[in-house]
Amino acid sequence: EVQLLESGGGLVEPGGSLRLSCEISGFTFSSYAMSWVRQAPGKGLEWVSGISSSGGATNYADSVKGRFTISRDNSKSTLSLQMNSLRAEDTAMYYCAKVPRGSLIRGINFDYWGQGTLVTVSS
Amino acid sequence: DIQMTQSPSSLSASVGDRVTITCRASQSISIHLNWYQHKPGKAPKLLIYAASSLQSGVPSRFSGSGSGTDFTLTISSLQPEDFATYYCQQSYSTLFTFGQGTKLEIK
Repeated sequence: EVQLLESGGGLVEPGGSLRLSCEISGFTFSSYAMSWVRQAPGKGLEWVSGISSSGGATNYADSVKGRFTISRDNSKSTLSLQMNSLRAEDTAMYYCAKVPRGSLIRGINFDYWGQGTLVTVSS
Repeated sequence: DIQMTQSPSSLSASVGDRVTITCRASQSISIHLNWYQHKPGKAPKLLIYAASSLQSGVPSRFSGSGSGTDFTLTISSLQPEDFATYYCQQSYSTLFTFGQGTKLEIK
């Protein structure tokens, strides 16, 4: 059974940092691209970042570019999101999602998702 | 960025109704359009990929159609477990974007 379990969320002050993790089981992690998607309170889904199966290619939404860094450790089946210079508008539930391909290319989808970890940015 | 616009934003319907949700892209995205179902406190679920392909395990009452800029998600006969929020998502551009969501509520 495919399982994705996010952790690392919490309360952080504006300008602070937080590192999210997503532990994977039930599939060969190193074969698939991954993404982070977030949902602010009362809002819709927003794609945040993606990474290829090898970790060699990454991309980011304009709203987080330069502040967030996505990475993966294929030996530990773990996806991470380092979030720096956090703003109030980064407050959201953060989901990790699996891509059924090795690359972030045209035509992909997000076929499995975790249940999310909540990040609150507030003083 | 490619903008995705769903309509309606909310919808009230009854069990057994046929429901259609539309999604419009700000430019042509061919068939690179996916649909998800999201219930509060749960992981989002992929329903339809590539505009009209049913994800494995998804009931056949769900169907998708469209290409270019206009797409639809249809639920042929609503079941109690279908009340949720539905999102379209384009994957034509690798700056992936979602629609704002359509909340399907019980009438």
